[in-house]
Amino acid sequence: GQNIDQPTEMTATEGAIVQINCTYQTSGFNGLFWYQQHAGEAPTFLSYNVLDGLEEKGRFSSFLSRSKGYSYLLLKELQMKDSASYLCAFHTPLVFGKGTRLSVIA
Amino acid sequence: DTEVTQTPKHLVMGMTNKKSLKCEQHMGHRAMYWYKQKAKKPPELMFVYSYEKLSINESVPSRFSPECPNSSLLNLHLHALQPEDSALYLCASSQVSGPGEQYFGPGTRLTVT
Repeated sequence: GQNIDQPTEMTATEGAIVQINCTYQTSGFNGLFWYQQHAGEAPTFLSYNVLDGLEEKGRFSSFLSRSKGYSYLLLKELQMKDSASYLCAFHTPLVFGKGTRLSVIA
Repeated sequence: DTEVTQTPKHLVMGMTNKKSLKCEQHMGHRAMYWYKQKAKKPPELMFVYSYEKLSINESVPSRFSPECPNSSLLNLHLHALQPEDSALYLCASSQVSGPGEQYFGPGTRLTVT
């Protein structure tokens, strides 16, 4: 079967670093995606990992371990605007986890 | 132009009405998608069109009828909906239907009364 698990909520302080974990099970794996969704808005693409390792893109990094069925999204130098839901998803087709609601506090 | 547009933004309809949601993209993408999202839940895939042909229907009730008139347009025809169908309906597109970044539209907030 297919399953994605990520924490429901997290809180972090402005300027800090936060790591959002995602574990998954699927029979057909074609890559792991992270999307950001602000309340009432559409999801926007953050990252895509298909091979093991770390992908860095500015303040955001994403890590994948296919053997462990594990990924994380690392957000550095947190800003208030980073308060949003972060959705882990795998292909194919795109199946989303329930999302992690991140609150950034001053 | 990296935008997916959807109309209308909001729609209120009765259970006996017939209405349509529209989605448009001009990025030359050949895959388009419909998702349904309930409050505080992730998007759930409904339909996938690849090269204007329906390739995936995730067991969606027949009261939802998708249509892809051309490579830039995607419609979702609604008929005899139920109150539990009230949700945010998101359209997305990608270059092809395989793994890759999907661009989402802002969604249509549908309320069925």
